[in-house]
Amino acid sequence: DADVTQTPRNRITKTGKRIMLECSQTKGHDRMYWYRQDPGLGLRLIYYSFDVKDINKGEISDGYSVSRQAQAKFSLSLESAIPNQTALYFCATSDLRQSSYNEQFFGPGTRLTVL
Amino acid sequence: QQQVKQSPQSLIVQKGGISIINCAYENTAFDYFPWYQQFPGKGPALLIAIRPDVSEKKEGRFTISFNKSAKQFSLHIMDSQPGDSATYFCAASIMNNNDMRFGAGTRLTVKP
Repeated sequence: DADVTQTPRNRITKTGKRIMLECSQTKGHDRMYWYRQDPGLGLRLIYYSFDVKDINKGEISDGYSVSRQAQAKFSLSLESAIPNQTALYFCATSDLRQSSYNEQFFGPGTRLTVL
Repeated sequence: QQQVKQSPQSLIVQKGGISIINCAYENTAFDYFPWYQQFPGKGPALLIAIRPDVSEKKEGRFTISFNKSAKQFSLHIMDSQPGDSATYFCAASIMNNNDMRFGAGTRLTVKP
């Protein structure tokens, strides 16, 4: 969905490096999410945010941190990357004011490889 | 442990056939069950969703069947087309709760 953009789209890094993945949205949604996708495991929630002042841990937050710099921007950081963080990372947005189902809109993903 | 179990992992169907993907959940508090479709290189996109107060929801060729007592739900794709080839994820959550749990995914291939 072009309304949710992620940068970079691909990243190769080394063990121990700090890396930041960025997400921006033009949908005006208040909620933003970070997921990781692994083969055979589906998508797992890392962190989510209701607004700039509200950050919540998801199912697998260890080793990750996030920052909600503005309503439209939500970044994910790996302070010291390790190989098992190699995965496809997705940002998503939603807004209950616009969808009673809390439909989530996903970005195109960032493929991260940690060597 | 995975709260939503999805099967099969992969599925090959001939054009015009019926594709069926099954999911089972454990948490009886779940009250929202969406299906997401993902094409290669793209993020998942909502395909269809159901609340547990109905047993079936149909949108075009896509139908969700829901069995509350068995804690199971399934996606049926009628008249499957090559353009339906994608990975499908079931999911479950509590409405207004942001902790959505996804199944492992099913890679569907529809052969022409």
